[in-house]
Amino acid sequence: GQQVMQIPQYQHVQEGEDFTTYCNSSTTLSNIQWYKQRPGGHPVFLIQLVKSGEVKKQKRLTFQFGEAKKNSSLHITATQTTDVGTYFCAGPGTSYDKVIFGPGTSLSVIP
Amino acid sequence: ETGVTQTPRHLVMGMTNKKSLKCEQHLGHNAMYWYKQSAKKPLELMFVYNFKEQTENNSVPSRFSPECPNSSHLFLHLHTLQPEDSALYLCASSQVSGNQPQHFGDGTRLSIL
Repeated sequence: GQQVMQIPQYQHVQEGEDFTTYCNSSTTLSNIQWYKQRPGGHPVFLIQLVKSGEVKKQKRLTFQFGEAKKNSSLHITATQTTDVGTYFCAGPGTSYDKVIFGPGTSLSVIP
Repeated sequence: ETGVTQTPRHLVMGMTNKKSLKCEQHLGHNAMYWYKQSAKKPLELMFVYNFKEQTENNSVPSRFSPECPNSSHLFLHLHTLQPEDSALYLCASSQVSGNQPQHFGDGTRLSIL
């Protein structure tokens, strides 16, 4: 069946270092969404990418959608302790109503 | 304040109990979802309701019974649960189902004794 994978599963960085998480789908996606879940919190929508090769920025966060629309990445420049959390990508499922979430990348930032 | 409110925040119940989780959204959305989030597992979609109609049941055991009386309210009725059902249950809503961004509630942390 359809799968959405993310790597790495965990990432520990020193504050100020950059961080990247990668999302890969077994099928072509019409769009990709990114969410962030702080420890003890709930997923919060960050952004949606729709176009092939699209790049969007939110302050220190850069989101990219692959040309083939099967992969995506989230890059954080100069991480801060407020970036701690799990980052999920999500894509539409095989049926219209379904959204498939990736397993997430858990980011720890060492002050 | 997320616009999606879940109660209770925590629930401990025995395997023979019957309880219900409640979700209410104040965003004017037409689609609502139940997800299960277990430790070290991906977020699992359980049910989708679009304009009060169930449009997705992701092979969820019958001991979980959803109810959606209107577009703003969603319930998850629990009966004869198993220890492996202990998890965080998240409710979400979106404008309509499908590719729309989802807004999540804080979840109900469920523990089955």
